[in-house]
Amino acid sequence: KQEVTQIPAALSVPEGENLVLNCSFTDSAIYNLQWFRQDPGKGLTSLLLIQSSQREQTSGRLNASLDKSSGRSTLYIAASQPGDSATYLCAVRPGGNTPLVFGKGTRLSVIA
Amino acid sequence: NAGVTQTPKFQVLKTGQSMTLQCAQDMNHEYMSWYRQDPGMGLRLIHYSVGAGITDQGEVPNGYNVSRSTTEDFPLRLLSAAPSQTSVYFCATSVDRVSYNSPLHFGNGTRLTVT
Repeated sequence: KQEVTQIPAALSVPEGENLVLNCSFTDSAIYNLQWFRQDPGKGLTSLLLIQSSQREQTSGRLNASLDKSSGRSTLYIAASQPGDSATYLCAVRPGGNTPLVFGKGTRLSVIA
Repeated sequence: NAGVTQTPKFQVLKTGQSMTLQCAQDMNHEYMSWYRQDPGMGLRLIHYSVGAGITDQGEVPNGYNVSRSTTEDFPLRLLSAAPSQTSVYFCATSVDRVSYNSPLHFGNGTRLTVT
């Protein structure tokens, strides 16, 4: 059974710092991997989706990488801002017709 | 452009009561789903639908019913609420049923407390 782990559970950094959020999964046979952002009291917002054949995806200051063989993905946030403060969740789709398996998230605080 | 709209935002029920959580989308998405989010458990899929008239069970379907009579709406019914159903419920949609490489769009959630 696929399991998704995000460490650390919480992270606090000063504004302007570049940072990396980690996601690991137990079964390397995945269909795709998605990164989401969740603000307090709100739903999830999709940030990046990486297909199994891709190594990375970029959107603005965000870059997500995927290494299936090692069961890892990272979300890189450049020049962090207080507005980046949120919980970031990683989710893996094990197969084409299987539901997403979510990690429990990393709560990020960017201090001005 | 409202996206995914969930109502109500908050609800308190007594054990044994029934209610329906509403989800409506205006993006003409074929795929709709319900998740629950619990502290320490992450998000878990309850039920999903790949189009009008088609529904299927997710990881934790017991105690919940769904139907999909239109493309726009996907209500979640609790027939006899239990304290274990206290959670935050999210509706999520995706543009098409066959390409699982489409991102999910989430509503803002319904916070349900069962006493």
